[in-house]
Amino acid sequence: GAGVSQTPSNKVTEKGKYVELRCDPISGHTALYWYRQSLGQGPEFLIYFQGTGAADDSGLPNDRFFAVRPEGSVSTLKIQRTERGDSAVYLCASSFRHSTDTQYFGPGTRLTVL
Amino acid sequence: SQQGEEDPQALSIQEGENATMNCSYKTSINNLQWYRQNSGRGLVHLILIRSNEREKHSGRLRVTLDTSKKSSSLLITASRAADTASYFCATDGIGGGSNYQLIWGAGTKLIIKP
Repeated sequence: GAGVSQTPSNKVTEKGKYVELRCDPISGHTALYWYRQSLGQGPEFLIYFQGTGAADDSGLPNDRFFAVRPEGSVSTLKIQRTERGDSAVYLCASSFRHSTDTQYFGPGTRLTVL
Repeated sequence: SQQGEEDPQALSIQEGENATMNCSYKTSINNLQWYRQNSGRGLVHLILIRSNEREKHSGRLRVTLDTSKKSSSLLITASRAADTASYFCATDGIGGGSNYQLIWGAGTKLIIKP
């Protein structure tokens, strides 16, 4: 595709529910990243995939957060038992191969937990 | 954790003037990147400067890097209304435990007045 796409663009859910956020990276990019951005802040790293494997998940805040990338392309960020504090914009980025390559960002998914 | 700190937090200038934003960081880096984020939209990569570079140009953008002071500046010359956005610096670091996590500042909000 032309760029990184994310769906949905907006997600409103109730506290305690489960949500899935999807990222479709640029075709051919092996590296994929998830970030979370709160209002007025810079993005906060969550997890980095190289191919199908999570090379670094140290940014995931707790075990309610999980991400997969089963075929090395599309990735899904999964949040269980959502809390109001999970409300943020979730950003996905991809880069060609190496972590030092430029990261290209999707438009983000705005998650609101009521 | 946030490594970069942009300064100023907000900047308002007249169209046609130059805008300078600064970024300071804490640990050793491989490279430093500047991104722009328009309201409600994704992050757009502007320029990447490697740790062994001191200055880089791209169109109306000029970035400098001083690794001894752990700081960088972004200069936008002849500003336009379309430059109104938030600007972030991001580093991927040697000292942060991994060299693929982009670590971000809180951004400078730039407003260009017509």
